[in-house]
Amino acid sequence: QVQLQESGPGLVKPSETLSLTCTVSGSSISTTTNHFWGWIRQPPGKGLEWIGTIYSAGTTYSNPSLKSRVTISVDTSKNLFSLNLTSVTAADTAIYYCARTSGGWLSPIDYWGQGTLVTVSS
Amino acid sequence: EIVMTQSPATLSVSPGERATLSCRASQSVSNNLAWHQLKPGQAPRLLIYGATTRATGVPGRFSGSGFGTEFTLTISSLQSEDFAVYYCQQYNDWPPVTFGQGTRLEIK
Repeated sequence: QVQLQESGPGLVKPSETLSLTCTVSGSSISTTTNHFWGWIRQPPGKGLEWIGTIYSAGTTYSNPSLKSRVTISVDTSKNLFSLNLTSVTAADTAIYYCARTSGGWLSPIDYWGQGTLVTVSS
Repeated sequence: EIVMTQSPATLSVSPGERATLSCRASQSVSNNLAWHQLKPGQAPRLLIYGATTRATGVPGRFSGSGFGTEFTLTISSLQSEDFAVYYCQQYNDWPPVTFGQGTRLEIK
């Protein structure tokens, strides 16, 4: 069974870097698999916003509204992937979800993590 | 960027009744449309992909229809566990991946 689990600090200070990891079980993060690994967030009272996605081969895609602040990376040895979001403000307060897309470019998100709340506050 | 618009924002339905949720795309997404269910404290769940195909383990009371720009999620005979927030997602033209703003399905 595929499971994803986010982890990281629940509180980040303004102007600092938000760092989260997503540990994957039941599915291999490998350069040979046809999977995409991504991050989505949901600010309080708002809808879902796609942050970015990394292809197993290492290519990344990011939301243009966040692009310059987002880094997504993969650690195949630990079967996890990570998100770094720099220069955070209160507007970055949200539930952050990690997710998998499987089956190629024209495929939906098929598994999600439970989500982790990150609050940006001094 | 493809903009996804869901309606209504909130839908109040009694248990046992039918719920119909709509999703509209700003341009054609073919059948590359998914529906996800979100509940507080739980991992979101893929319900429908390819506009009409139920994901593994999804009950038969959930059905999807549509093509191009107009899509519908229908839940027949609502159960208590179905009251949640539902989002459509287009994956026809990305990046960026885009979602609708969600429909909250609440108990009437």
